Amino acid sequence: GDSVTQMEGPVTLSEEAFLTINCTYTATGYPSLFWYVQYPGEGLQLLLKATKADDKGSNKGFEATYRKETTSFHLEKGSVQVSDSAVYFCALSEAAGNKLTFGGGTRVLVKP
Amino acid sequence: EAEVAQSPRYKITEKSQAVAFWCDPISGHATLYWYRQILGQGPELLVQFQDESVVDDSQLPKDRFSAERLKGVDSTLKIQPAELGDSAMYLCASSLEQGATYEQYFGPGTRLTVT
Repeated sequence: GDSVTQMEGPVTLSEEAFLTINCTYTATGYPSLFWYVQYPGEGLQLLLKATKADDKGSNKGFEATYRKETTSFHLEKGSVQVSDSAVYFCALSEAAGNKLTFGGGTRVLVKP
Repeated sequence: EAEVAQSPRYKITEKSQAVAFWCDPISGHATLYWYRQILGQGPELLVQFQDESVVDDSQLPKDRFSAERLKGVDSTLKIQPAELGDSAMYLCASSLEQGATYEQYFGPGTRLTVT
């Protein structure tokens, strides 16, 4: 079945540092890929998505590129802020049912 | 901005008791999802509705869990009897329609603790 693997946290960074969170997936078809973010005490919010190979999703300074050849969708941000402290989830969805399959989440802590 | 509403936000119950969670999706959203998120893990789908019909309940423990969406709007998830292993965050999400092009919007969740 479908699965998503992402790097374990916590990831602790200083403000303005570069952030990378690795995500790889296994799927039977050609899924859409997503990054969701969960701030403390809140529900999940869609951060960005890509629906086909070589697409780049971007939002709020974050970006990720759908790499079919390496089955990866790594999240990057060039200069993090304290407000980026959250848990980040990589997820995929096969086209038909739209069920999301999530990775285990990566906690990011940005210190001033 | 429209949001998915869930209640209660927190629930503590003793094992073997019954517990129910309620979800009100964004108005007009035909597809509704219940996910369970165990602490430190990603959410896993329990059940998916399209209008009032169940589309996927393959991961729902049907001996103790039930879900309904009688009028195709709000939904209730019930656990009876609750077990210690049911302690988790229960998340509701909705989307305009099925299909990966439709964004899922998540509610704040109900955190269940079974003692």
